[in-house]
Amino acid sequence: AQSVAQPEDQVNVAEGNPLTVKCTYSVSGNPYLFWYVQYPNRGLQFLLKYITGDNLVKGSYGFEAEFNKSQTSFHLKKPSALVSDSALYFCAVRFFKAAGNKLTFGGGTRVLVKP
Amino acid sequence: DTGVSQDPRHKITKRGQNVTFRCDPISEHNRLYWYRQTLGQGPEFLTYFQNEAQLEKSRLLSDRFSAERPKGSFSTLEIQRTEQGDSAMYLCASSLELGTQETQYFGPGTRLLVL
Repeated sequence: AQSVAQPEDQVNVAEGNPLTVKCTYSVSGNPYLFWYVQYPNRGLQFLLKYITGDNLVKGSYGFEAEFNKSQTSFHLKKPSALVSDSALYFCAVRFFKAAGNKLTFGGGTRVLVKP
Repeated sequence: DTGVSQDPRHKITKRGQNVTFRCDPISEHNRLYWYRQTLGQGPEFLTYFQNEAQLEKSRLLSDRFSAERPKGSFSTLEIQRTEQGDSAMYLCASSLELGTQETQYFGPGTRLLVL
């Protein structure tokens, strides 16, 4: 069965410092990996995805993520965090099959960027 | 705004009542998904439509839950005889079938509170 783990419930970082949000996965076959961000009382906003190709994926708002097959990880990164990056971040995996493409989400990581 | 919309945004009901939520996907998106998110958790898949056909349902979707997408555009999710355990955020997502490149875009969600 496919699963996603986000080992940190919360990450605190000072504004201007690098931000890393961790994600590991377990899936049979090729993983299709996604990051979403959720602001209070809002739905999930798509940040980026890894399907195939270059292991470093660039996404919205200056975020990027690195796919590491040997470590089964897909960590989200931002070189310089902003206070406005404070939100709830979700990693998700999809196993491609013809009959459906549901996402399986991790439990989420709350990011707090302090001024 | 051409994103996914959901109505209502908030719903308070008494235990035993029926509720219905609506989702309007991004136009031309042929796939539509429903997820449920409880406090402090990641979203969990409920069901999925391709055009008007409901192709997959989660075990989470008890017989009190029913979803429709009658014309392949908007969708409704009905919960009959609500229970306090149904209190959650109900998220809708839509996507365009693009094989491995498919990306789901989420609406703002409907927050349900069952008293």
